[in-house]
Amino acid sequence: EVQLVESGGGLVQPGGSLRLSCTVSGFTFISYWMSWVRQAPGRGPEWVANIKQDGSETYYVDSVEGRFTISRDNAKNSLYLQMSSLRAEDTAVYYCARGPSGNRLEYWGQGTLVTVSS
Amino acid sequence: EIVLTQSPATLSLSPGERASLSCRASQSVGTYLAWYQQQPGQAPRLLIYDASTRATGIPARFSGSGSGGTDFTLTISSLEPEDFAVYYCQRRDSWPPRLTFGGGTNIEIK
Repeated sequence: EVQLVESGGGLVQPGGSLRLSCTVSGFTFISYWMSWVRQAPGRGPEWVANIKQDGSETYYVDSVEGRFTISRDNAKNSLYLQMSSLRAEDTAVYYCARGPSGNRLEYWGQGTLVTVSS
Repeated sequence: EIVLTQSPATLSLSPGERASLSCRASQSVGTYLAWYQQQPGQAPRLLIYDASTRATGIPARFSGSGSGGTDFTLTISSLEPEDFAVYYCQRRDSWPPRLTFGGGTNIEIK
């Protein structure tokens, strides 16, 4: 069974930092691109970043470029999102997802809530 | 930047009725379009990819279609109680592989 489990969310002050983790099981992690997607309260999903299988390529939505860093540890079947200079508008549930495979995100975790507030 | 516009924002229907959801792209996206279902408090779930291919385990009452690379439709042939949810379409740039979601359609019980 494919499973993705996020952790690391919480309350952080504006300008602060947070590191999200996603541990996966049930598939060969090193074979897949991985993505982070966020969803602000009452809004639709927004793609944040993705990373190639070997970590050699990473891509970001413009609003987080230079503030967020996606990475992975294939030995630990884990995906990460280092977030810094956080803003109120970064408040959202953050999901890790397998893909894109072709054009799609096939499996998603349950999400972890990040709240940026003083 | 290609924008995905979903309509209507809300669809009020009864169980057993047919639902047709629209997703329109501002430029051609070929057939690189996916659909997701999201229940309250849950993560999105992949329903359809490549415009018309059902994902693993998705019931046959869900179908996707598209024409001209810009107009796509998700059809639910007969609504079950568990189908009342929010639906999103999504596409991917060829390169870099950036993803974009539509604004969503909420199917509510009439």
